[in-house]
Amino acid sequence: KAGVTQTPRYLIKTRGQQVTLSCSPISGHRSVSWYQQTPGQGLQFLFEYFSETQRNKGNFPGRFSGRQFSNSRSEMNVSTLELGDSALYLCASSDGAGTGGGKRFGPGTRLLVL
Amino acid sequence: QKEVEQNSGPLSVPEGAIASLNCTYSDRGSQSFFWYRQYSGKSPELIMFIYSNGDKEDGRFTAQLNKASQYVSLLIRDSQPSDSATYLCAVNSRYGSSNTGKLIFGQGTTLQVKP
Repeated sequence: KAGVTQTPRYLIKTRGQQVTLSCSPISGHRSVSWYQQTPGQGLQFLFEYFSETQRNKGNFPGRFSGRQFSNSRSEMNVSTLELGDSALYLCASSDGAGTGGGKRFGPGTRLLVL
Repeated sequence: QKEVEQNSGPLSVPEGAIASLNCTYSDRGSQSFFWYRQYSGKSPELIMFIYSNGDKEDGRFTAQLNKASQYVSLLIRDSQPSDSATYLCAVNSRYGSSNTGKLIFGQGTTLQVKP
């Protein structure tokens, strides 16, 4: 099976702009989670989607949002970008919700906010 | 107290030795535990996961759970220079008695295997 794919891989934006990141999970996986990774905070959970429904949300401001489509592909959006949003954004997929088992990560989108 | 804690290292071992990585967790009711390996500039790669019912061995890797002391270990036998990476421990968070899909990660331990 092909792995998790994320686009774009790299992105440079300026403060105040918005950005949309895309994730395609492993075929057959219906759960998609998003994480932010920074050197200072490590890996932090953003949200999880299962069958187009947001099931969990982390402690991030409302500028961070996401959605999932009927084909399980997911997008996350960050509005009004801040310098602190510079990070590696990782998408992970698994075949079930709530189990947490076997989450596989994509290659990530590296976002730089200037 | 952080929910998942790891010693940041670096942990340095000679090639061929056993590397022992540890992780402590705060939620006594945690049921699922995960080890990821992350090379510099890459995304985390799932090595193995265990549930609260037992340890697991997969090739050179063994994951062990000590519920009484609330820590999880990853043993890497016959360590190779290619094992040099950051190892992330993660625990499935819970809502009530049920697992959620959220993983809580430690900060990671850097392992250096010297030839």
